[in-house]
Amino acid sequence: AQSVAQPEDQVNVAEGNPLTVKCTYSVSGNPYLFWYVQYPNRGLQFLLKYITGDNLVKGSYGFEAEFNKSQTSFHLKKPSALVSDSALYFCAVRDPLNAGKSTFGDGTTLTVKP
Amino acid sequence: DVKVTQSSRYLVKRTGEKVFLECVQDMDHENMFWYRQDPGLGLRLIYFSYDVKMKEKGDIPEGYSVSREKKERFSLILESASTNQTSMYLCASSPGPLRPLHFGNGTRLTVT
Repeated sequence: AQSVAQPEDQVNVAEGNPLTVKCTYSVSGNPYLFWYVQYPNRGLQFLLKYITGDNLVKGSYGFEAEFNKSQTSFHLKKPSALVSDSALYFCAVRDPLNAGKSTFGDGTTLTVKP
Repeated sequence: DVKVTQSSRYLVKRTGEKVFLECVQDMDHENMFWYRQDPGLGLRLIYFSYDVKMKEKGDIPEGYSVSREKKERFSLILESASTNQTSMYLCASSPGPLRPLHFGNGTRLTVT
């Protein structure tokens, strides 16, 4: 069975500082990893994905993520945080052999303070 | 842009009622999903469908059923609503197993 863990419920950073939101995964085959963001009272929006290729993946709104196979991690990063980045972030893994079933982490609330 | 529309943003129902949550996507996506979102528990998969009339149980299917008679529509049914089904329900669709999910804005269901 596949699973995703987001070890931090909450991350606080100051505006302009770099941010990292952590994610680790467990899969039996190749990992297919995704990051989503959720703003209040809205559905989730796709940020970026790793399927294969370069370990550093670039996505929307200046976010990027680093895939590390040996550490089974897929941390979300941004070099300079904005107050508007404050939201709930979810890491997810998809299983292409099971009709693309997606399993999500519990989410990390990011708060960027001015 | 893909649009996933959930028929209600807020819904209040009584215990024991049969509840229908409707979801429609406009991009001919094969895969559709129903999740519930509860604080501290993330998103938990209830049911998903990879084709018309096909359905698969997710991680928490008990107390729920689904229907997919047309490709664009995926309905979640609570046969007899209970208070522990009070939650935010999110529908999503995807064109394929390695593509991102597109989410609706959710239905916040309260069962009293």
